[in-house]
Amino acid sequence: QQQVKQSPQSLIVQKGGISIINCAYENTAFDYFPWYQQFPGKGPALLIAIRPDVSEKKEGRFTISFNKSAKQFSLHIMDSQPGDSATYFCAASMNTGNQFYFGTGTSLTVIP
Amino acid sequence: EAGVAQSPRYKIIEKRQSVAFWCNPISGHATLYWYQQILGQGPKLLIQFQNNGVVDDSQLPKDRFSAERLKGVDSTLKIQPAKLEDSAVYLCASSAPGTGTTGELFFGEGSRLTVL
Repeated sequence: QQQVKQSPQSLIVQKGGISIINCAYENTAFDYFPWYQQFPGKGPALLIAIRPDVSEKKEGRFTISFNKSAKQFSLHIMDSQPGDSATYFCAASMNTGNQFYFGTGTSLTVIP
Repeated sequence: EAGVAQSPRYKIIEKRQSVAFWCNPISGHATLYWYQQILGQGPKLLIQFQNNGVVDDSQLPKDRFSAERLKGVDSTLKIQPAKLEDSAVYLCASSAPGTGTTGELFFGEGSRLTVL
């Protein structure tokens, strides 16, 4: 059972463009939604995270939009750069148990 | 601050052989996780420790996989006997006490297993 569904599987964006990755979840008990960035040969690293009490969080060029009623959240990368080329995973967790459920990942390629 | 350390980085074995992976979490982190990441997929939790105790091992194939965390610090994940479908990257992650509210996982670079 896939707790978190992520799309698209892959994404190609021109330098300077906007990259958008979407995730959806079913379990309303989730209360923490992080995005992880993974470069080849490396472990995932936390990029940005949001809790359901806010609808948007912005850190530099990265923004999470959260829609609690639709049970969806998305990552927006503004002014995408070639250095952003990586695989991005959304995740969801519950405070109780501290367990994390990951999406299937999106491979982002930013073309110079 | 030193990150999560894992070894070996790469391992190639034949099916039915055994393999062990080692993880040293960030100092002071009480929670330790082992994830399996098959190529093109997201990390899947195998086992979660809180100090010495197992919190969740519901997705660990217990007929062939085992894991332990001695003294609440280092951890070892063992596969015996290995199958072809075990080919994956095995990621260790840790989180600090009290970060159930922040939820940040710190991952190691992973151990890539190839089963021939």
